Amino acid sequence: DIQMTQSPSSLSASVGDRVTITCRASQTISSYLNWYQQKPGKAPKLLIYAASSLQSGVPSRFSGSGSGTDFTLTISRLQPEDFATYYCQQSYSTPWTFGQGTKVEIK
Amino acid sequence: QVQLVQSGAEVKKPGASVKVSCKASGYTFNNYGITWVRQAPGQGLEWVGWISAYSGNINYAQKVQGRVTMTTDTSTSTAYMELRSLRSDDTAVYYCARVAYGPWDAFDIWGQGTMVTVSS
Repeated sequence: DIQMTQSPSSLSASVGDRVTITCRASQTISSYLNWYQQKPGKAPKLLIYAASSLQSGVPSRFSGSGSGTDFTLTISRLQPEDFATYYCQQSYSTPWTFGQGTKVEIK
Repeated sequence: QVQLVQSGAEVKKPGASVKVSCKASGYTFNNYGITWVRQAPGQGLEWVGWISAYSGNINYAQKVQGRVTMTTDTSTSTAYMELRSLRSDDTAVYYCARVAYGPWDAFDIWGQGTMVTVSS
């Protein structure tokens, strides 16, 4: 199975900050990497697919980059509604696997 | 609009079975796959399995292999997940999601989740 490791596990940031979350795969996955946002008590929401493609309706302050084993999700200017937990997920091969999540909290 | 609506919460005893439904609307059901993801209380997301609504191809996670069955009913645009021989560590919110953007297989539409509690 492909292991996905996110860092950090949590972070504190202020509104307006630039935030970067990293995701590392245990083997190369090309660009088969998706990012999700989850708020408490809600279903996850797709933000980025294919490593860098922005899902329709997602604000442009979200961006993704990377290929191979190392990926990043960047929020250019953190907004109050962005405080949530973020997960990466590889779709290169089954079993599809998720990172452990990164919780973004208010500083 | 495009949506997935899941069945309601369930409470089951260890060893019992549960069947969760996921009804799709607003899109052509046969053109997409459905995946199931679960989340234990306070924990992260765990992939359970996937079924293609057009080919019938199925893939299950090793952890539930042998205890899970995923099916689709194209006449009602509904996907089902049955989990048998329930254990306490099966307690979780179970989500269905549409698999899109092939070949990148991203989960673009999610159901609201179904809480399954396994307790004696």
